Amino acid sequence: KNQVEQSPQSLIILEGKNCTLQCNYTVSPFSNLRWYKQDTGRGPVSLTIMTFSENTKSNGRYTATLDADTKQSSLHITASQLSDSASYICVAYNQAGTALIFGKGTTLSVSS
Amino acid sequence: DAGITQSPRHKVTETGTPVTLRCHQTENHRYMYWYRQDPGHGLRLIHYSYGVKDTDKGEVSDGYSVSRSKTEDFLLTLESATSSQTSVYFCAISEGEIAGAGYNEQFFGPGTRLTVL
Repeated sequence: KNQVEQSPQSLIILEGKNCTLQCNYTVSPFSNLRWYKQDTGRGPVSLTIMTFSENTKSNGRYTATLDADTKQSSLHITASQLSDSASYICVAYNQAGTALIFGKGTTLSVSS
Repeated sequence: DAGITQSPRHKVTETGTPVTLRCHQTENHRYMYWYRQDPGHGLRLIHYSYGVKDTDKGEVSDGYSVSRSKTEDFLLTLESATSSQTSVYFCAISEGEIAGAGYNEQFFGPGTRLTVL
């Protein structure tokens, strides 16, 4: 069964701290995996896109990793800011493009 | 929001009435998508279009129809709205395929909040 599971469901951290969000996926055959940031009341915005041959990809303070063998991905946020408060969504795609599986997201709250 | 507008942004309607949501893009992208987002669920694909008059069903297409008569517009119609269709609807676009042979980025609109009473 194609599925994407994210953990934790929610997270609260202090401004300036780092955090790591997790994503486990089961999509076959795997094509690519994406992380999106969704601010409250807005549409998702892409942070990173990774194919099976990529292990790490960075976008500013965001670094995504991918382990295609264990089917796990993580999103690491460095030196968090208040504006990082949002839902972070992991999405896995299969090669046929017929399975576009969105995780339920991790809600991150950054407090001062 | 990458040149994507959705209208209306908010709508309250009654069970059994027809509803049409509009997605308009100024990017001239070939692919357009409709998703719904509900608490406890990830975004789920309703329908998508890969060109003018070319559409296909997604994961949760029952009760929905779509039309695309121009590159820039993609309409989602609820023929007879039900309370289970209360949701936030997102339109998305991409220049090419987002999976398979293509890794094109997908851009999302601001969403339409639909309430069916």
